[in-house]
Amino acid sequence: QVQLLQSGAEVKKPGASVKVSCKASGYTFSSYAVHWVRQAPGQWLEWMGWVNAGNGDTKYSQKFQGRVTITRDTYASTAYMELSSLTSEDTAVYYCARGQLPHWNSFDPWGQGTLVTVSS
Amino acid sequence: QSVLTQPPSVSAAPGQKVTISCSGSSSNIGSFLVSWYQQFPGTAPKLLIYDTDKRPSGIPDRFSGSKSGTSATLGITGLQTGDEADYYCGTWDSSLSAVVFGGGTTVTVL
Repeated sequence: QVQLLQSGAEVKKPGASVKVSCKASGYTFSSYAVHWVRQAPGQWLEWMGWVNAGNGDTKYSQKFQGRVTITRDTYASTAYMELSSLTSEDTAVYYCARGQLPHWNSFDPWGQGTLVTVSS
Repeated sequence: QSVLTQPPSVSAAPGQKVTISCSGSSSNIGSFLVSWYQQFPGTAPKLLIYDTDKRPSGIPDRFSGSKSGTSATLGITGLQTGDEADYYCGTWDSSLSAVVFGGGTTVTVL
């Protein structure tokens, strides 16, 4: 079945970077986009950006522009999200989710989530 | 705060119906398709409705979606205790060039 499997929880110090992976299975990786969405404790969902798994094109939310980098490895069917200059406000669960190409209309499925904790 | 506005909570007795509103603007809901997600505590969101009113396979027809102008609505009929969860609406926003979500609505079965 279609599945996204994310890497494990991370604890980082302020100012550091974190890189989360998302391995896809059960579908043709290059035919879809992979999006990243985060959820701070007790908060709503916040979209960060996406990568076109086929051609590698990316688009980022203005809020994270300059601080987030989303990449993909087609041979490994894996997408990556790297967030730099971490602060305590970046403590959240980070989800990857599959989106349609060429135009997004929904996220299905989602990865299981990766908790990133930023603490000194 | 979130771009789309949802009520923080709704509740009803088992077997009853609830509706969850999602209010936006002409740059988002007014122009684009809406999706809805169900999220249980400690788990990832799950797609419930896509293209405003379509259900993925496996989603019971107790769940329905609709849109009018700049507002969308999720309806849940025959409410069950297993429906207690948080529900989020989402769509594209052309002004922000971003996917935007509502703040989420907690459904409680009395």
